[in-house]
Amino acid sequence: AQSVTQLGSHVSVSEGALVLLRCNYSSSVPPYLFWYVQYPNQGLQLLLKYTTGATLVKGINGFEAEFKKSETSFHLTKPSAHMSDAAEYFCAVSDSRSGYSTLTFGKGTMLLVSP
Amino acid sequence: NAGVMQNPRHLVRRRGQEARLRCSPMKGHSHVYWYRQLPEEGLKFMVYLQKENIIDESGMPKERFSAEFPKEGPSILRIQQVVRGDSAAYFCASSPPWDRRNTEAFFGQGTRLTVV
Repeated sequence: AQSVTQLGSHVSVSEGALVLLRCNYSSSVPPYLFWYVQYPNQGLQLLLKYTTGATLVKGINGFEAEFKKSETSFHLTKPSAHMSDAAEYFCAVSDSRSGYSTLTFGKGTMLLVSP
Repeated sequence: NAGVMQNPRHLVRRRGQEARLRCSPMKGHSHVYWYRQLPEEGLKFMVYLQKENIIDESGMPKERFSAEFPKEGPSILRIQQVVRGDSAAYFCASSPPWDRRNTEAFFGQGTRLTVV
């Protein structure tokens, strides 16, 4: 079984400040890891994903995440927040051996950006 | 190439009625996944289908819920005799046949079901 824990249901930052959204996972098999963003009343858009290879993954909109196996973490960062980054962010894990893309999601972290 | 299309975007049903949610996958995608998002919760997997086959329905409630993905036409998630607790956003995702390079599922904009 797999699970995802996102620390902090809400994170507030000022525009221009560092964004750090935390994600820890549990998986009995090598995981594939994802970060999605959801704007109000919209679907989910993939920010970035880790499957194999380089553990530092760069995504869209200046976001990146680092897979740390020893810490079972996949935290999302962005050096400088923009107002447009305000949204809900979901970390997700899938089973790399299942042969299909079923995702287990965390409960989400709402990012609030103030001027 | 249109994305994953879900309709309707919003659906209101009275308790006891049936709800039908439709999902047209992206062109070339033969795998469809349904997820449910309850208020203040993340998305929960419900069912995974390929054309004419249910592959994994481990997340589907045992009663009143069913899903299909016929040879022709969209995938349908059907909820019979809806109750207030069924009020949620239902998301569909699609993907091509899985391999180590194609690990991403693309999401639609969801159907927001309100049971009154």
